Amino acid sequence: ILNVEQSPQSLHVQEGDSTNFTCSFPSSNFYALHWYRWETAKSPEALFVMTLNGDEKKKGRISATLNTKEGYSYLYIKGSQPEDSATYLCALNSGNTGKLIFGQGTTLQVKP
Amino acid sequence: DSGVTQTPKHLITATGQRVTLRCSPRSGDLSVYWYQQSLDQGLQFLIQYYNGEERAKGNILERFSAQQFPDLHSELNLSSLELGDSALYFCASSVGADNSPLHFGNGTRLTVT
Repeated sequence: ILNVEQSPQSLHVQEGDSTNFTCSFPSSNFYALHWYRWETAKSPEALFVMTLNGDEKKKGRISATLNTKEGYSYLYIKGSQPEDSATYLCALNSGNTGKLIFGQGTTLQVKP
Repeated sequence: DSGVTQTPKHLITATGQRVTLRCSPRSGDLSVYWYQQSLDQGLQFLIQYYNGEERAKGNILERFSAQQFPDLHSELNLSSLELGDSALYFCASSVGADNSPLHFGNGTRLTVT
């Protein structure tokens, strides 16, 4: 059974702090890695799809890196804002279908 | 708004009953996915259809079945319902069959009493 682990489980930061969290996955089963943001009372929203070792993606203040050899991805948020408060999910695609194995998520709370 | 429409939003039914959840994908998307989120569980993959054909299957119970119709909308049928089937069921869609980002609907909250 493939396992995708995310840490930490939750995080509380002050507005303006930069933060990062980790997604770990079995490197032998890598096809692609997805990141999603899930705000309360909404549905998950895609942030990045990463496929190559060394990939770096950026969207505004949010960026992600990927290391497929060691099986991890980092998500960084620079200068956190209260509107960044959400659960951030990573998901592993281990084959050439759309099947994603989701981690449990990291819940970020940004205090004004 | 993701463009993915799920109905109904909420469903309350009794054990042993059968329900149908419906999903209309985003315009232009050929893949439809069904995910289940139970209490304290992450999103669990159930099944994927691509252009009308089953593409990938997760740990979907035999009591559950799905299909994608020629107009690309999809239905998830849950039968002989048990209390443990109470969950939030998400539909998502994507353009392609493998690495496209998923666009999620707002989910159907199923409560089995």
